Amino acid sequence: SQQGEEDPQALSIQEGENATMNCSYKTSINNLQWYRQNSGRGLVHLILIRSNEREKHSGRLRVTLDTSKKSSSLLITASRAADTASYFCATPFTGANSKLTFGKGITLSVRP
Amino acid sequence: ETGVTQSPTHLIKTRGQQVTLRCSSQSGHNTVSWYQQALGQGPQFIFQYYREEENGRGNFPPRFSGLQFPNYSSELNVNALELDDSALYLCASSFPGDPYNEQFFGPGTRLTVL
Repeated sequence: SQQGEEDPQALSIQEGENATMNCSYKTSINNLQWYRQNSGRGLVHLILIRSNEREKHSGRLRVTLDTSKKSSSLLITASRAADTASYFCATPFTGANSKLTFGKGITLSVRP
Repeated sequence: ETGVTQSPTHLIKTRGQQVTLRCSSQSGHNTVSWYQQALGQGPQFIFQYYREEENGRGNFPPRFSGLQFPNYSSELNVNALELDDSALYLCASSFPGDPYNEQFFGPGTRLTVL
């Protein structure tokens, strides 16, 4: 079974709007990562947030982590058509940072 | 550009056949992980190789096997192919000195089993 569960499964917004995606996980983690995948191709690492961090920014991306609720959110501000992709949250196996468990992903469509 | 390359890009096989997929890790990365991504699903961890030894395995049968070479490139072999093996196969390499082991993914190999 998959550790991470993203919500919603699909999101459609207008260019310029903000997109918020959520991820919940089951076990304790020391970091959580978000990835983007375009058209079923390779995954691109977006951002990693450590368990002792609550919020992290990278360009138009803002990630939050709430370890008490075992949840994370990814906010993309001022979305662009090029942001259209699938987004996945991933958490490492217990004691094995380099082995990841992924959720099913969120399909984001940004309309021009 | 991550530097991780995979070959071939696409592959079509028939049930019962065997397949070998290849991955070249990013320069300086000695750890390679393989993932299977079925259509509409997230990637699932198959196994990992570190310094030419298997270093952890996910819930996949023994007909999924691998190798890592001295230059840290890797192969994924699947025997007795089944229809459900149709998927995108991703490899990822990571830098040994990174405590959080950020993974760098290749573009994937799309395997279709008929």
